[in-house]
Amino acid sequence: DAGVTQSPTHLIKTRGQQVTLRCSPKSGHDTVSWYQQALGQGPQFIFQYYEEEERQRGNFPDRFSGHQFPNYSSELNVNALLLGDSALYLCASSFGQLAYGYTFGSGTRLTVV
Amino acid sequence: GESVGLHLPTLSVQEGDNSIINCAYSNSASDYFIWYKQESGKGPQFIIDIRSNMDKRQGQRVTVLLNKTVKHLSLQIAATQPGDSAVYFCAEETGYALNFGKGTSLLVTP
Repeated sequence: DAGVTQSPTHLIKTRGQQVTLRCSPKSGHDTVSWYQQALGQGPQFIFQYYEEEERQRGNFPDRFSGHQFPNYSSELNVNALLLGDSALYLCASSFGQLAYGYTFGSGTRLTVV
Repeated sequence: GESVGLHLPTLSVQEGDNSIINCAYSNSASDYFIWYKQESGKGPQFIIDIRSNMDKRQGQRVTVLLNKTVKHLSLQIAATQPGDSAVYFCAEETGYALNFGKGTSLLVTP
């Protein structure tokens, strides 16, 4: 049974560029939540997608956007990258919107230079 | 500021000893708490959870204690093994998201 799959695993981008990260949820899950984890910190909630719509959002600027597809997979887009966007981006899938039963992926390590 | 935090950033224990990792939270309305283990290069892995109507919950070699009076959580790991070396996070559910603390790094020495 495949868990949460994220791609790519590592990525290096230049300041000002745009990036797209991808997430395939665990089989049977319909909700995808994205978290940003800076080095040495706990994960911070970015937003949640359910039924192809953004349902909840954390304290992140509009440069962070996303999408959910009919097969429940999701993308995270970040525009106008800043050095401070360098982090591990984690995708968590669950069944239903409440933050129970999360399964996390291994993340995408984004480095902005 | 953070509503969930940890008392100690690092903890070193000898193999076979018991480990205790502590966590404070500030939102008295929080109903659900989770402990996660994160190994290098991996995402957080669920260890154990507890609801606010419970004081204690046990799993395999792990116990979570919840003290609502002082808003404190602890994770106890019995007979700590080298494979337990990782960063441990407590998190509180805030409806549709989890609020994580900074984490405690557990190092198990032989």
